[in-house]
Amino acid sequence: DIQMTQSPSSLSASVGDTVTITCRASRSISGYLNWYQQKSGTAPKFLIHTTSTLQTGVPSRFTGSGSGSDYTLTISSLQPDDFATYYCQQSYSSPPTFGGGTKVEIK
Amino acid sequence: QITLKESGPTLVKPTQTLTLTCTFSGFSLSTSGTGVAWIRQSPGKALEWLALGYWDGDKRYLSSLRSRLAISEDTSKNQVFLTLSNMDPADTATYFCAHRGGDDDAFDVWGPGTMVTVSS
Repeated sequence: DIQMTQSPSSLSASVGDTVTITCRASRSISGYLNWYQQKSGTAPKFLIHTTSTLQTGVPSRFTGSGSGSDYTLTISSLQPDDFATYYCQQSYSSPPTFGGGTKVEIK
Repeated sequence: QITLKESGPTLVKPTQTLTLTCTFSGFSLSTSGTGVAWIRQSPGKALEWLALGYWDGDKRYLSSLRSRLAISEDTSKNQVFLTLSNMDPADTATYFCAHRGGDDDAFDVWGPGTMVTVSS
């Protein structure tokens, strides 16, 4: 199984900041990297598909990039609605596996 | 519009078998590329994929739980079921079902989840 490692596990930031979350796969996943946002007590929301394709309705301040085994999610000009936990997930091979999550908190 | 909703018991005893139902609308499990996954999240923990049933009848399971898991469907009722046998307190979690809609195992729409507690 492909292991997904996210860092940091948590971060504190202010409204307007730019934050970057990284996700590393245990081997190359050829761009099959997805990002989800989860707010407390709710289901995850699908944000980005295959590295960089924003889902409908996702603000353009969210950017995904990467290749091979290393990927990043960047949130520019952090907004109050962005404080949440973010998960990466690989869909390159079965079983699909998730990272451990990154909690973005208000500083 | 695709929607999914999980239902089932909120409390089960150790050693019992859990059966959860995912009732969905807005898509057909017969459509090529579609699938329904089950994913769980223990309190304060990360997401853990459990199982996935595909449009073509293929079923995949988390290997560490394979002997305890089964996924099935009633396409006439737009329902997918998950059974997890020999429940343990470590299986206490929120269980989500989610839609797979593309060429890979990404999950674009999720149900709200159902919390299951395992306790005697």
